[in-house]
Amino acid sequence: EAGVVQSPRYKIIEKKQPVAFWCNPISGHNTLYWYRQNLGQGPELLIRYENEEAVDDSQLPKDRFSAERLKGVDSTLKIQPAELGDSAVYLCASSWARGQGHSPLHFGNGTRLTVT
Amino acid sequence: GQSLEQPSEVTAVEGAIVQINCTYQTSGFYGLSWYQQHDGGAPTFLSYNGLDGLEETGRFSSFLSRSDSYGYLLLQELQMKDSASYFCAVSSNDYKLSFGAGTTVTVRA
Repeated sequence: EAGVVQSPRYKIIEKKQPVAFWCNPISGHNTLYWYRQNLGQGPELLIRYENEEAVDDSQLPKDRFSAERLKGVDSTLKIQPAELGDSAVYLCASSWARGQGHSPLHFGNGTRLTVT
Repeated sequence: GQSLEQPSEVTAVEGAIVQINCTYQTSGFYGLSWYQQHDGGAPTFLSYNGLDGLEETGRFSSFLSRSDSYGYLLLQELQMKDSASYFCAVSSNDYKLSFGAGTTVTVRA
């Protein structure tokens, strides 16, 4: 099966500029996640979707971050305006069901964002 | 909330055995997972423990003790390709998966 596809792979922007990341999950996976991973740290959840509904966005900085998952398939994550502290790898993952053990998460290769 | 502790680094030689411990504090604990991530790559699922005991998958095994809030990942017959970061992650009953900071394993010839 095709894996989780993310684009772009790398993005360099100046602070205060907007940026968007795109994710195409594995076909048939209803649950989609956006994680942020800082250097030397584990992934931190930003938002989780069940189909097109955002069921957990408690860690999403809503003043500058937004996300959408139209038609319950592809998803985009946007930052506007970007800050220096947003430099990180943004990972998208999907799972067949709610990610509980026997439904492991499948991650994309991520987008490495550098804000200058 | 959740908190997880695992060693930051482990170094071993090819053919050796490495054990990565993970202790956690979480409300509504559901299970413990392990993920592997090579430098610049995507995290990939290795194993899951929902019940106490040992789960074996080839050269890798994972253990869970719910009463001790403790688990470990055992890497046997280490190979150079096992050099990577390993993350423990706890699932809670609100379907949230929270990751530890990761353990960097370096395998030397």
